[in-house]
Amino acid sequence: AQSVSQHNHHVILSEAASLELGCNYSYGGTVNLFWYVQYPGQHLQLLLKYFSGDPLVKGIKGFEAEFIKSKFSFNLRKPSVQWSDTAEYFCAVKGLTNAGKSTFGDGTTLTVKP
Amino acid sequence: DTEVTQTPKHLVMGMTNKKSLKCEQHMGHRAMYWYKQKAKKPPELMFVYSYEKLSINESVPSRFSPECPNSSLLNLHLHALQPEDSALYLCASSQAPGSTDTQYFGPGTRLTVL
Repeated sequence: AQSVSQHNHHVILSEAASLELGCNYSYGGTVNLFWYVQYPGQHLQLLLKYFSGDPLVKGIKGFEAEFIKSKFSFNLRKPSVQWSDTAEYFCAVKGLTNAGKSTFGDGTTLTVKP
Repeated sequence: DTEVTQTPKHLVMGMTNKKSLKCEQHMGHRAMYWYKQKAKKPPELMFVYSYEKLSINESVPSRFSPECPNSSLLNLHLHALQPEDSALYLCASSQAPGSTDTQYFGPGTRLTVL
């Protein structure tokens, strides 16, 4: 079975602060990893994804994430957050033998103070 | 067109009602998904359709009945729901149900069961 753990439930930052949201997964095989964002009142949008290759992936809006296989982690980072980054962030995993089945973490609520 | 549309946006129904949620995509995707999302919780997979055939049913109660009339449409028929079924119901689609596919999410239908 696959599972995802997001350790930060609620993060509060001031504008221009740096962001790192933790994501750890559990799966006994090769995985594909995703970060989604859900802005208030809006639908889930893909921020970035890792399938293979360079473990440092860059996404939209200045976000990036690093896949560290030895740590089963896929942490999301942004060097300088903006008020508009206030949203719910979900990490998700798909195991290669679980075609079609994504498992989401519990989410992290990010509040950026202007 | 990279959009998944869902209707209605909001639905209020009684426990004895029968209603349907609709989802549509015109991206040529052959995999479609239903998720349930409670407030401040991650999306939970309910069903996956692959090439118009039901491929995954995550032990969802029979009061939820999915239907995929063609490759662009996905319905979720609701009957005799319980108040605890109140949630945001999300539809998603991807090119195929492989693990490397990105899912595109619709805005959801917010369901309230009285």
